[in-house]
Amino acid sequence: NAGVTQTPKFQVLKTGQSMTLQCAQDMNHEYMSWYRQDPGMGLRLIHYSVGAGITDQGEVPNGYNVSRSTTEDFPLRLLSAAPSQTSVYFCASRQVAGDTQYFGPGTRLTVL
Amino acid sequence: AQSVAQPEDQVNVAEGNPLTVKCTYSVSGNPYLFWYVQYPNRGLQFLLKYITGDNLVKGSYGFEAEFNKSQTSFHLKKPSALVSDSALYFCAVRPDTGRRALTFGSGTRLQVQP
Repeated sequence: NAGVTQTPKFQVLKTGQSMTLQCAQDMNHEYMSWYRQDPGMGLRLIHYSVGAGITDQGEVPNGYNVSRSTTEDFPLRLLSAAPSQTSVYFCASRQVAGDTQYFGPGTRLTVL
Repeated sequence: AQSVAQPEDQVNVAEGNPLTVKCTYSVSGNPYLFWYVQYPNRGLQFLLKYITGDNLVKGSYGFEAEFNKSQTSFHLKKPSALVSDSALYFCAVRPDTGRRALTFGSGTRLQVQP
């Protein structure tokens, strides 16, 4: 049972490049979400999903896309990277009606 | 809308002394409340939660938290701090309806001096 996994751990992009951050969980959780962590701002919700085929926007969705084709995977796509997207990104999962949310180890992204 | 306030950016305490990290919240309906800890260059680890029942909840590593509905607070406490407790602590809230997202505070850095 690996829990929540994220790849890559580190990434450096140039402005305008696109990329996908991968997230997978093996706990059969319906609810998955993406957060970004910036100094002094805590974690802010980007997008979330309550099940395969269902996604919704969080607090800071602009510049990011998500899809949920399977219960296990919830990739986050940066369409055209900007320096303002330099951050640490965390994926999390839980049961929809459950309480505790589990986090992945994070991806540190730098956009030059 | 739901929100969490952690009024202290940093808390300093001497090893062996009690510690408190403050958290207040705002949410519609009944709250689910959580504390997470983050060590340097690591993800968030679950510490403890309040869902219902006893207002004093106990969690990992000797931490506990007290839910106070009238003051909408959920302060994290430990009777005797350890240097190894030094980390970034996040309080989080969501309503008890299942689909809502978790909202985090801005975090409090705990520094325990030897």
